[in-house]
Amino acid sequence: GAVVSQHPSRVICKSGTSVKIECRSLDFQATTMFWYRQFPKQSLMLMATSNEGSKATYEQGVEKDKFLINHASLTLSTLTVTSAHPEDSSFYICSARVSDQPQHFGDGTRLSIL
Amino acid sequence: GIQVEQSPPDLILQEGANSTLRCNFSDSVNNLQWFHQNPWGQLINLFYIPSGTKQNGRLSATTVATERYSLLYISSSQTTDSGVYFCAVAGGANNLFFGTGTRLTVIP
Repeated sequence: GAVVSQHPSRVICKSGTSVKIECRSLDFQATTMFWYRQFPKQSLMLMATSNEGSKATYEQGVEKDKFLINHASLTLSTLTVTSAHPEDSSFYICSARVSDQPQHFGDGTRLSIL
Repeated sequence: GIQVEQSPPDLILQEGANSTLRCNFSDSVNNLQWFHQNPWGQLINLFYIPSGTKQNGRLSATTVATERYSLLYISSSQTTDSGVYFCAVAGGANNLFFGTGTRLTVIP
């Protein structure tokens, strides 16, 4: 149980493109979803927290107009990287949880902007 | 946020050896998880262990919350154990803060 599906797993696109990443909880309803970013050989850094039906809470230094988060249902959250540039290239990972239970993580999306 | 430090940063083991990874954190926590990130980036949840001791096969973990540290033990290491091990903790807001990671390489 507690499976989180993240799609796509890999994206390569040109600079200026907007990219949408989906995160789904397959067998449970997630009250909260999280988005993390990981640069090569570094740790995971929390970007934002989203609760279904409300605006996401962004961590300090994360541009909310650059990284749009939508959490329209209890099983789906999306992260859109708008007008992506090479410096946005990174590994993006989502997680989901029910109430105060442990977070369950997706397999990540490797984004490469040319 | 809570500061999380892991040691050692890098570890190279011969297959079959045992190891201990450490996680220190700067504040009281109500959640602590250990993860293994494989070479493809997948995060495998090893333990949810805010306190006490748990064992799962060759792996075990102990968290001493009052002294703000946790230990992950790997026994009889295998090449498939290679990867990065992360400790992550959460305080009152329940947001996870990840440690700096330990990169483990097990050589045959």
